[in-house]
Parts: sequence; structure tokens; C-alpha cells
Amino acid sequence: GDSVTQMEGPVTLSEEAFLTINCTYTATGYPSLFWYVQYPGEGLQLLLKATKADDKGSNKGFEATYRKETTSFHLEKGSVQVSDSAVYFCARRGLNRDDKIIFGKGTRLHILP
Amino acid sequence: DAGVIQSPRHEVTEMGQEVTLRCKPISGHNSLFWYRQTMMRGLELLIYFNNNVPIDDSGMPEDRFSAKMPNASFSTLKIQPSEPRDSAVYFCASRGQVNTEAFFGQGTRLTVV
Repeated sequence: GDSVTQMEGPVTLSEEAFLTINCTYTATGYPSLFWYVQYPGEGLQLLLKATKADDKGSNKGFEATYRKETTSFHLEKGSVQVSDSAVYFCARRGLNRDDKIIFGKGTRLHILP
Repeated sequence: DAGVIQSPRHEVTEMGQEVTLRCKPISGHNSLFWYRQTMMRGLELLIYFNNNVPIDDSGMPEDRFSAKMPNASFSTLKIQPSEPRDSAVYFCASRGQVNTEAFFGQGTRLTVV
């Protein structure tokens, strides 16, 4: 069935390092794709999204590009901060308006000062 | 907008007791989702509703779990009888017709002892 696969964590980086968290998906057609972020003790918040192929979602210095040829939606940030420490989830939604949103397992990110 | 509101935030109960988790979606949203989050399994979709009707309950683990949505502004997830393996954080999320993404509540942390 349709699924989302993201790199396992935890990922530990120093402040100002470059970040990439890989995400690939399987789905029929071209689903909407998302990155959500979860800070400790909180619910998930939408970080960015892309609804069609070649779209680039961006927010708070994070970016992800919808690549249909590789069925990927990798999350990147050029210079991470300690405050970016959180769990990041890749997710997809199908084309049908009633379709559900399926999440990857999450990647825990630790940024060291 | 107050966002998705879940109650209680924390629940500790004894094995065998009935547990009811509550959710108030964002006003005007017509889709509602219940997710369970654990370290082992990540974020699992339990059930989702569209216009108060259950669309997909394939993620409900067993008959001890039931969910209702009597109107557009309220949903419950009930576990009876509860077991220690039900301990997790349960999230409710809602989505409007014009949104592609879901908006999450703060979650209910359930501990069954």
C-alpha cells in the first residue's frame, strides 16, 4: 500500500551545519507532500508542504522539493540552530479529497551548541 | 482560532477501566483524524471521519477501541477495557475542505497501569 519512508534517527549535528533528512514515498498518482515538526511535549505542526511535482515548500529556512522522478521530498536547511532540535515527520496525502494523511516514522534531530 | 482542543492532556488509569478521550476540531473543518503515537510504532492512524461519518477505521487495533463523532464539533475515542499496552500519546487532528494539511491538537498522554 501507499507509504512514506524517512531516514532513521537520531541525527546529531553542530549548530550552523547543513541538514538533510531524506524522505521517499509510494503512492498512486501525485499526492500532496508535507513535513511536520514536533517539539517536546507538543503536537505536530505543519512545517512546509508541496502539492504538485516540482513545487518547493519552504518555511523558517527549511526547504523541500517535490521530485516525482525519484518520488522524494527531502528536507534541507543550510544552517541549523539549537532551536531546530525536534522530531520531523514526512507525510503524504492522496488525491482523493477524502484521503487520509500517512506519516513516516519520524526523525529525531539534536543540534549541539 | 483556538485550534484543535483535546482533553484531558494527561490520563492515568488502571488496567480494565474505561477511558474516554475527547476532541473538538477547528470550527468549519469537515475531516477529523485520531492518531496514536508510541516509540515502537511511531504515528499510527486509528480512524478518520469525513462529515461526521467514519471513512476508514482499519487502524483501530481491536474491538476494545471505538470512536464516535456525533456532530461536527466533537469526537470521542473510547478504550474499554484499557490495557497497559494502550499507553501512548493520542492525537486528534482536523482538516477543512480547502486545506490539504491536517491541524493537530496537543495530544492526550495515556498511561494504563
